[in-house]
Amino acid sequence: SQQGEEDPQALSIQEGENATMNCSYKTSINNLQWYRQNSGRGLVHLILIRSNEREKHSGRLRVTLDTSKKSSSLLITASRAADTASYFCATDAWGAQKLVFGQGTRLTINP
Amino acid sequence: DVKVTQSSRYLVKRTGEKVFLECVQDMDHENMFWYRQDPGLGLRLIYFSYDVKMKEKGDIPEGYSVSREKKERFSLILESASTNQTSMYLCASNRVVGNTIYFGEGSWLTVV
Repeated sequence: SQQGEEDPQALSIQEGENATMNCSYKTSINNLQWYRQNSGRGLVHLILIRSNEREKHSGRLRVTLDTSKKSSSLLITASRAADTASYFCATDAWGAQKLVFGQGTRLTINP
Repeated sequence: DVKVTQSSRYLVKRTGEKVFLECVQDMDHENMFWYRQDPGLGLRLIYFSYDVKMKEKGDIPEGYSVSREKKERFSLILESASTNQTSMYLCASNRVVGNTIYFGEGSWLTVV
């Protein structure tokens, strides 16, 4: 069963613009993570935000978490062509013993 | 650097063959996972393991089995490969449940 659902499924923007991706989930969580996947490769961890945190930054990445709405957003500022990839959210639900991934947002940065 | 290594990057197997996908991690992680990734379906958990000789079914275990004889190695086994098992398989590991997961580069399996 899918816990996280990303929106939009695909996003295409111009280099230099900001990219925002959203993730919604269904049950209470311990934490939420964002991962990046370049085409045909494994996933790479970007950032983890705990359920008692509301916002976290890492370089050009900004993640917010709204537990009342059961949603998170990933903002990539000043996008670059190298940011082209798929982005996944993953949730660690209370009582579960595994991370559950959404279907991902495919981000394309046009030069 | 942390590393999860999947032994085969690309495989082509025939229907009915027994297939082994091997995964090794060098981080002394307790937890290891096998995911399957298909277009439009995201990552789906097949099996996971919290300790040597221990395994738990994930969301789609049918048609698969696993083996964890040593802490660093987690093998996925397709007893009799079928064409609907053509997919990308991702191995992953972490130390604590719910914490950052480290992924291998993936194994592309085609069953003909």
